[in-house]
Amino acid sequence: GDKVKQSPSALSLQEGTNSALRCNFSIAATTVQWFLQNPRGSLMNLFYLVPGTKENGRLKSAFDSKESYSTLHIRDAQLEDSGTYFCAAEAGNSGGSNYKLTFGKGTLLTVTP
Amino acid sequence: NSKVIQTPRYLVKGQGQKAKMRCIPEKGHPVVFWYQQNKNNEFKFLINFQNQEVLQQIDMTEKRFSAECPSNSPCSLEIQSSEAGDSALYLCASSRGHQDTQYFGPGTRLLVL
Repeated sequence: GDKVKQSPSALSLQEGTNSALRCNFSIAATTVQWFLQNPRGSLMNLFYLVPGTKENGRLKSAFDSKESYSTLHIRDAQLEDSGTYFCAAEAGNSGGSNYKLTFGKGTLLTVTP
Repeated sequence: NSKVIQTPRYLVKGQGQKAKMRCIPEKGHPVVFWYQQNKNNEFKFLINFQNQEVLQQIDMTEKRFSAECPSNSPCSLEIQSSEAGDSALYLCASSRGHQDTQYFGPGTRLLVL
């Protein structure tokens, strides 16, 4: 099965509304990154998280390593928030993860007027 | 956001041809990664380096792919004999090290005809 399960796979929001994206991990995630990919393919960093919470403007993200999940909350959605959101986890283990990220399959967010 | 440079942005090759792409990591980032993103948004880790040394690579990379990160030169990823299934977005990322943010370049979109 998927090591990083992202939900929902697609989401449509009206401008000004709020929503949350989620990632569940079946690997021992030690850190999580959230990205927004634009249609050209560029991955923009949103958050880097160790267990805990971060906030940046209208975005807020949390990572709970014990319960193996992470969330990304979008408040007051704007048209420019549209794109594909990915979470990715670095897993720690006794042999070392060699730093690689394991990605979810993304949430395609469409914000409409 | 990211200062990772990737060239070319687009690459079109025939089956059996070599395909080479380059990456300049952010200054001061000794760790470099290559990932492949297919049209189903599945990311596959290919290889990573710390300075010039390979940290980890997957089987596929060992067989048809070659990569290097020479000092004072761009890193490169080369597919020796392209196959249709290699058509994908190839993303390079760099990082200061273990458990630190990975910053991605804009990617090289490879199409194998």
